[in-house]
Amino acid sequence: AQSVTQPDIHITVSEGASLELRCNYSYGATPYLFWYVQSPGQGLQLLLKYFSGDTLVQGIKGFEAEFKRSQSSFNLRKPSVHWSDAAEYFCAVGGGGNNDMRFGAGTRLTVKP
Amino acid sequence: DAGVIQSPRHEVTEMGQEVTLRCKPISGHNSLFWYRQTMMRGLELLIYFNNNVPIDDSGMPEDRFSAKMPNASFSTLKIQPSEPRDSAVYFCASSFRQGANQPQHFGDGTRLSIL
Repeated sequence: AQSVTQPDIHITVSEGASLELRCNYSYGATPYLFWYVQSPGQGLQLLLKYFSGDTLVQGIKGFEAEFKRSQSSFNLRKPSVHWSDAAEYFCAVGGGGNNDMRFGAGTRLTVKP
Repeated sequence: DAGVIQSPRHEVTEMGQEVTLRCKPISGHNSLFWYRQTMMRGLELLIYFNNNVPIDDSGMPEDRFSAKMPNASFSTLKIQPSEPRDSAVYFCASSFRQGANQPQHFGDGTRLSIL
């Protein structure tokens, strides 16, 4: 079965700085990869997804992620963070039978003014 | 378009009571998921349905938990009897169809507190 690891539990960046959130997956074939964001008191919202093709995918809110098969990674990036980006970010991997999707433990992002 | 709708948003009840959480998926979506989120265990898949049929309930923690989907627009997650360790945020999500490549759309969750 597939699994996903988010090595960073909590990250703090200054507003306007660049951001990279790490995600590593384990799966024997080409995975389906997702990034979700969760604001306080809300459900998870899809930021972007990767299935195949161009390994650099663009998402909503200015986020992008790059699939690197050799490193089993799917890191999320944003060139300039806004205070409203403070939230929890989840990486997820799908690829088993049916609807088998696994979520990482999440990375909490704090944005300093 | 309306998203996934969950009710109630908050529920506080005493242990031993029956709790029923409700979910209305996005119209036209054929797959529905129930998750539980806690600080200790993160986001856990409890059960999912496809075309109203339960496909995988291996994540349901105990027999005290049960879920139903009587039609395409409604699902319930019931806990009877409830215990303090059931306190968590419960999310419902839906996707257009079955498949590991299908993005899931989440409701805003029900925050459950069992006293």
